[in-house]
Amino acid sequence: AQKVTQAQTEISVVEKEDVTLDCVYETRDTTYYLFWYKQPPSGELVFLIRRNSFDEQNEISGRYSWNFQKSTSSFNFTITASQVVDSAVYFCALTGTTSGTYKYIFGTGTRLKVLA
Amino acid sequence: DTAVSQTPKYLVTQMGNDKSIKCEQNLGHDTMYWYKQDSKKFLKIMFSYNNKELIINETVPNRFSPKSPDKAHLNLHINSLELGDSAVYFCASSQGGGARNEQFFGPGTRLTVL
Repeated sequence: AQKVTQAQTEISVVEKEDVTLDCVYETRDTTYYLFWYKQPPSGELVFLIRRNSFDEQNEISGRYSWNFQKSTSSFNFTITASQVVDSAVYFCALTGTTSGTYKYIFGTGTRLKVLA
Repeated sequence: DTAVSQTPKYLVTQMGNDKSIKCEQNLGHDTMYWYKQDSKKFLKIMFSYNNKELIINETVPNRFSPKSPDKAHLNLHINSLELGDSAVYFCASSQGGGARNEQFFGPGTRLTVL
């Protein structure tokens, strides 16, 4: 079965601190995709990144970086020098290619609060 | 222009009523989805349509019926509303229903059943 675990329910940091959001996944697929989405207080879901299972290169986009490690089945997300606008719920999601129909399996989300 | 739009944004209704939520996307995508987000923020897929054909139908009560008149629209009709149906419903779309395609979400419809 496919599963995504975001063990951190809520994290609070002070502005300018670095913070890492953990994502651990389970899948039997050899080809799969991992995603991160951001849900700010306004409620919409915003796509942040996609990573396929054959690409373990870390990705950096501004203050955001992602660390994908197949050996530990993890796809962690780090925000450097956090800002109040980073306050949101962040979701990690997984899709696979062997199930016939492809659907997102979402984690339960991590609520990040960045305090001024 | 809004890529994925939903109407209404808020819906407050009494138990037992029937209601519909509309979704439209102008991204030219061929696959659309409905998700339910409960009060604990848990997101779960309900339905997916690819080129107007139903491809995902999770274990959702048959009081929920999706309808896709064309590739750009996916509506959700709910009969005999119950208290437990209160949630935020998100529509999403993607190009292709494959595993690699990121989904673009609408703003959500907050349904409150009294």
